Amino acid sequence: QQQVKQSPQSLIVQKGGISIINCAYENTAFDYFPWYQQFPGKGPALLIAIRPDVSEKKEGRFTISFNKSAKQFSLHIMDSQPGDSATYFCAASINNAGNMLTFGGGTRLMVKP
Amino acid sequence: DAGITQSPRHKVTETGTPVTLRCHQTENHRYMYWYRQDPGHGLRLIHYSYGVKDTDKGEVSDGYSVSRSKTEDFLLTLESATSSQTSVYFCAIPTSGRANTGELFFGEGSRLTVL
Repeated sequence: QQQVKQSPQSLIVQKGGISIINCAYENTAFDYFPWYQQFPGKGPALLIAIRPDVSEKKEGRFTISFNKSAKQFSLHIMDSQPGDSATYFCAASINNAGNMLTFGGGTRLMVKP
Repeated sequence: DAGITQSPRHKVTETGTPVTLRCHQTENHRYMYWYRQDPGHGLRLIHYSYGVKDTDKGEVSDGYSVSRSKTEDFLLTLESATSSQTSVYFCAIPTSGRANTGELFFGEGSRLTVL
């Protein structure tokens, strides 16, 4: 049973476009929602994260939108660039529960020049 | 990667053989984690450690054991490897200075193929 469901599995976007990746979770005890970015041959790296007390967090071209009532959150990449081509994972964890992350299945993003 | 070294980075083995993957950290963190990554499943927690000789099971622990005899090393052992354990294995530690936030720093992974 996957507690964090991510969609789409793959995404192709033109340079300059907006990339949108969605995640839904089931466990209402989750209270921390990070996104990780992974390039081929590398480990995942933290990109941006949000807590459920805010509905949106923006860092540069990356924005997380959070809907607590719907138990959904999404990553928006504005002005997508070929260098953003990577696999993106949403995740969730419970604060003070040993940093254990539950991951979504991943989205492979390709940004075409 | 600074902070975590995984070895070996690549390994091909045969079904039924034992395999040990090593994770070495230089950050002196109490917590260490082993995840496996498979297409469509994201990363799934195998085992974690919260101190020397203190370990616990994760979501997909069957067929795996771990040991932590010193702070810097966390070993993952497949006692008798099976083809379903073909995967990329990642070790992780909490991001420096942030405890209990879900922010992890991952190693570069160990790709294991079981024939």
